[in-house]
Amino acid sequence: GNSVTQMEGPVTLSEEAFLTINCTYTATGYPSLFWYVQYPGEGLQLLLKATKADDKGSNKGFEATYRKETTSFHLEKGSVQVSDSAVYFCALSEADSWGKLQFGAGTQVVVTP
Amino acid sequence: GAVVSQHPSRVICKSGTSVKIECRSLDFQATTMFWYRQFPKKSLMLMATSNEGSKATYEQGVEKDKFLINHASLTLSTLTVTSAHPEDSSFYICSAAEGTGSQPQHFGDGTRLSIL
Repeated sequence: GNSVTQMEGPVTLSEEAFLTINCTYTATGYPSLFWYVQYPGEGLQLLLKATKADDKGSNKGFEATYRKETTSFHLEKGSVQVSDSAVYFCALSEADSWGKLQFGAGTQVVVTP
Repeated sequence: GAVVSQHPSRVICKSGTSVKIECRSLDFQATTMFWYRQFPKKSLMLMATSNEGSKATYEQGVEKDKFLINHASLTLSTLTVTSAHPEDSSFYICSAAEGTGSQPQHFGDGTRLSIL
């Protein structure tokens, strides 16, 4: 079956540091890949997505590239802010199970001033 | 942009009562909505797929009679936790997507359910 594995948190770093959150997946087909962010006490918000190999999703300074050869979709940001403190979820959706999302366990990121 | 509204945001009730949670797509029609459950410091687990005008599709291990889903219109799905017990306490989140294919899900803000 499908699965999403992402690095465990919490990840604690200082403001303006470089952030990487690793995400790898297993899927039987050619899934779409997503990163969602959950701020404290809130629901999930789509951060970025990629629908095919070599696509790069980007938003708010975050980037992730769909790597089919390594089945990865790592999230990066060059300079984090305190406001980036949140839980980040990697997820996939198979083409033949439209809309159904398989989530990773989530990675909590804490950015200190 | 598209917005999904979920109500209530928080509910506290006694064991044995039933609780209804609403999920509305505010500016688009959603033939399919999804209900997730999130345990503390854990990921979201898909509970069921809510289909407008037909029965919901439940994931393995989810009790259909415990978690009743109704999707009576293209903008509203409801989840009713029947005869709730403390172990049903959790964060419940709904989502919906515009159109078909690889459109991303838009999530509600979630409902914090606490059963005393």
